[in-house]
Amino acid sequence: GAGVSQSPSNKVTEKGKDVELRCDPISGHTALYWYRQSLGQGLEFLIYFQGNSAPDKSGLPSDRFSAERTGGSVSTLTIQRTQQEDSAVYLCASSLYKDRGHGYTFGSGTRLTVV
Amino acid sequence: AQTVTQSQPEMSVQEAETVTLSCTYDTSENNYYLFWYKQPPSRQMILVIRQEAYKQQNATENRFSVNFQKAAKSFSLKISDSQLGDTAMYFCAFMLGSNFGNEKLTFGTGTRLTIIP
Repeated sequence: GAGVSQSPSNKVTEKGKDVELRCDPISGHTALYWYRQSLGQGLEFLIYFQGNSAPDKSGLPSDRFSAERTGGSVSTLTIQRTQQEDSAVYLCASSLYKDRGHGYTFGSGTRLTVV
Repeated sequence: AQTVTQSQPEMSVQEAETVTLSCTYDTSENNYYLFWYKQPPSRQMILVIRQEAYKQQNATENRFSVNFQKAAKSFSLKISDSQLGDTAMYFCAFMLGSNFGNEKLTFGTGTRLTIIP
């Protein structure tokens, strides 16, 4: 597609439920990133996928968070047993590997609210 | 680990004036990139300008320019002839150079800029 697409745009869920957030990167972009933006905060790195390499999961805050990227394209971020502190905007971005000087292209994010 | 600091949580300026947003960073490496991103209410992060650390010349993109002081580890953004559409959150970000495997961006906490009509 022309840009990075994320769905849903907004999600309200009850505490304890599982949620799945989807990211469809720009076609041909080999690198994909997930970031979390809490109210009034900067962007917190969660996970990074690059081609067929093992993902960098160093930013995932707990084992309730997981992500996968199927076929080197679409990615799903899953949060199990959601907690109120998980409420945030989850941003996805993609980039061309070895083109890092041009930064990322971001999606519009998913605003997750846990009630 | 690299850190990015934006010391101005909020700023406001009259339309058509010039405003400068501050950013400092900390790294022990010499090869890296610096970025300014804009986040309007639509939430989408938009790349405003980038700077390669090995280039001494300050980057410029139309009304946006940077003052890159490598020794001081400072990377400020100047917006000239500010427009109402410049109202947004602005984030400074850092990325290590290509001799490192991870392309992770490290962000500051942002500056909320309001352009007053």
